[in-house]
Amino acid sequence: DGGITQSPKYLFRKEGQNVTLSCEQNLNHDAMYWYRQDPGQGLRLIYYSQIVNDFQKGDIAEGYSVSREKKESFPLTVTSAQKNPTAFYLCASKTGTDNSPLHFGNGTRLTVT
Amino acid sequence: SQKIEQNSEALNIQEGKTATLTCNYTNYSPAYLQWYRQDPGRGPVFLLLIRENEKEKRKERLKVTFDTTLKQSLFHITASQPADSATYLCALGLRLGNTPLVFGKGTRLSVIA
Repeated sequence: DGGITQSPKYLFRKEGQNVTLSCEQNLNHDAMYWYRQDPGQGLRLIYYSQIVNDFQKGDIAEGYSVSREKKESFPLTVTSAQKNPTAFYLCASKTGTDNSPLHFGNGTRLTVT
Repeated sequence: SQKIEQNSEALNIQEGKTATLTCNYTNYSPAYLQWYRQDPGRGPVFLLLIRENEKEKRKERLKVTFDTTLKQSLFHITASQPADSATYLCALGLRLGNTPLVFGKGTRLSVIA
């Protein structure tokens, strides 16, 4: 079955540690996205990539980094510079067609204490 | 400033009634609009796309309208069921090619038996 996989489902880290969230898709989609979701805030865009080896900052990129070395994979690193990292993180992908829908993974809930 | 607002954070309706959710936007000129459903702890799932030159789209018990004069989209679920309980998100697709979607904060719908 084609889909987009995020792992792990739950992640716990101590403050000051970097952590990397995994996102893999086998849909052959060109574009991939990372969103953060907090209660009452909706989806906020962190980074996106429309092609391998290229990515752009979204609205809240500070304290995060990404790479896109392979079409299938778009890992997100939450660095110690991110002030409030505890959140629900969603990865999504889509084809290159302009109005095509986003396909989301089931998220990673990160808790930093 | 640019805003996208969904009518209320939460909406409760009786089973069998029609649920109507509203998405209003300010200072955007979207080329299309998409609606997603999100269940707790899961990623959003695409439901419907409506383009700026379309007044209405239907899919089974779902209907979406798009009024570019009022800058509003309405999302209707007819003959609602408890299984329709979820958060519904609207997302604007902007005119610049392949610009990321802009999401509203969502409306949490509860259908009461």
